[in-house]
Amino acid sequence: GQQVMQIPQYQHVQEGEDFTTYCNSSTTLSNIQWYKQRPGGHPVFLIQLVKSGEVKKQKRLTFQFGEAKKNSSLHITATQTTDVGTYFCAGNSGNTPLVFGKGTRLSVIA
Amino acid sequence: GAVVSQHPSWVICKSGTSVKIECRSLDFQATTMFWYRQFPKQSLMLMATSNEGSKATYEQGVEKDKFLINHASLTLSTLTVTSAHPEDSSFYICSARPIAGGYNEQFFGPGTRLTVL
Repeated sequence: GQQVMQIPQYQHVQEGEDFTTYCNSSTTLSNIQWYKQRPGGHPVFLIQLVKSGEVKKQKRLTFQFGEAKKNSSLHITATQTTDVGTYFCAGNSGNTPLVFGKGTRLSVIA
Repeated sequence: GAVVSQHPSWVICKSGTSVKIECRSLDFQATTMFWYRQFPKQSLMLMATSNEGSKATYEQGVEKDKFLINHASLTLSTLTVTSAHPEDSSFYICSARPIAGGYNEQFFGPGTRLTVL
């Protein structure tokens, strides 16, 4: 079945440094979504990408969807302590359920 | 908009008892809701897809007789963990896909933390 791999598993950064998490799918995706989960909280939808090569920005966050629609990345510029949490990518093909990556846990040292 | 609630937010029960968890879409209708389980420091694992008015579709390895799902209306799905055991202790999260709106967009509930003693 479809698998979604995400790296790195953990990332520790100094406040102000940049952060990137990468997501790769074993199959071509119809769309990819990104979620953020704060410690003790539930996943919160960040964004959805559907087009090949798509790039979207939300303030300091930049999301990319690969040309082959099998990989994606989330880049945070100048991290802040409020960025702490686990970032999950999730994708599917057609109308199948979302398959989540294992997530990247980001910690930011002030 | 697009708010999903879950009740209860946490529950502690004795081994062998059954626990019902409710998932409601508060301001939209959802023909499809999903139930996930998340163990500490792990990713979300899809348990089943709940379709309004029909039987749920369970993922491989999930016992349908143990995890009973009912999706009786366009705004409510319930998950009942029957004869719960300590290994069922986990964070259970539901999500709902709006009938109208973004393709494949899902909104998550706040989760229910189940502890079985």
